[in-house]
Amino acid sequence: DAGITQSPRHKVTETGTPVTLRCHQTENHRYMYWYRQDPGHGLRLIHYSYGVKDTDKGEVSDGYSVSRSKTEDFLLTLESATSSQTSVYFCAISGGPSTYEQYFGPGTRLTVT
Amino acid sequence: AQSVTQLDSHVSVSEGTPVLLRCNYSSSYSPSLFWYVQHPNKGLQLLLKYTSAATLVKGINGFEAEFKKSETSFHLTKPSAHMSDAAEYFCVVSDQDTGGFKTIFGAGTRLFVKA
Repeated sequence: DAGITQSPRHKVTETGTPVTLRCHQTENHRYMYWYRQDPGHGLRLIHYSYGVKDTDKGEVSDGYSVSRSKTEDFLLTLESATSSQTSVYFCAISGGPSTYEQYFGPGTRLTVT
Repeated sequence: AQSVTQLDSHVSVSEGTPVLLRCNYSSSYSPSLFWYVQHPNKGLQLLLKYTSAATLVKGINGFEAEFKKSETSFHLTKPSAHMSDAAEYFCVVSDQDTGGFKTIFGAGTRLFVKA
């Protein structure tokens, strides 16, 4: 298995509080991604990074921000959590875009009450 | 614009019978296509990928998929289902254009395998 960990694995938080999810990789892959998974929607890309300090938006980026200060870490922040952000969040890594397969972390289940 | 349609939200087969999971896509460029599998409470695992080489792609655990450009399809098949194949399967299209690259997941097909 690719060396990808996510923390925390489960979190319950209240509406309006900030939340940060962490993705850590040991594969030295250039690309990192954050997805959310909701029933009936598959996975939807929130943000991705193509290098240290290089990030871009995905299709559902509103309400989320990311940072990547080191190759191995990619942080996802919900500045003010809302109930619509209750979801399972997956981090993924790849050696490049488009034609490269992605390797997924185990996921973080976030509940916003 | 890219899109992916998995034609069945649920498929049920008996153990030992063939599996067919259907996927249609649209893409303006030359896409890469993937199938991923997700077992309950797990992350996703790559089954196979197509990147403009052979149109018949073989993957892990006996799965294969055929890229048919004329039909814009990338259906996943397996000759004989095993109980351990019960999972959710995602078809994915990815390509790169002037706006950057995009990866779109289908909504998923849940495969049930009956003993």
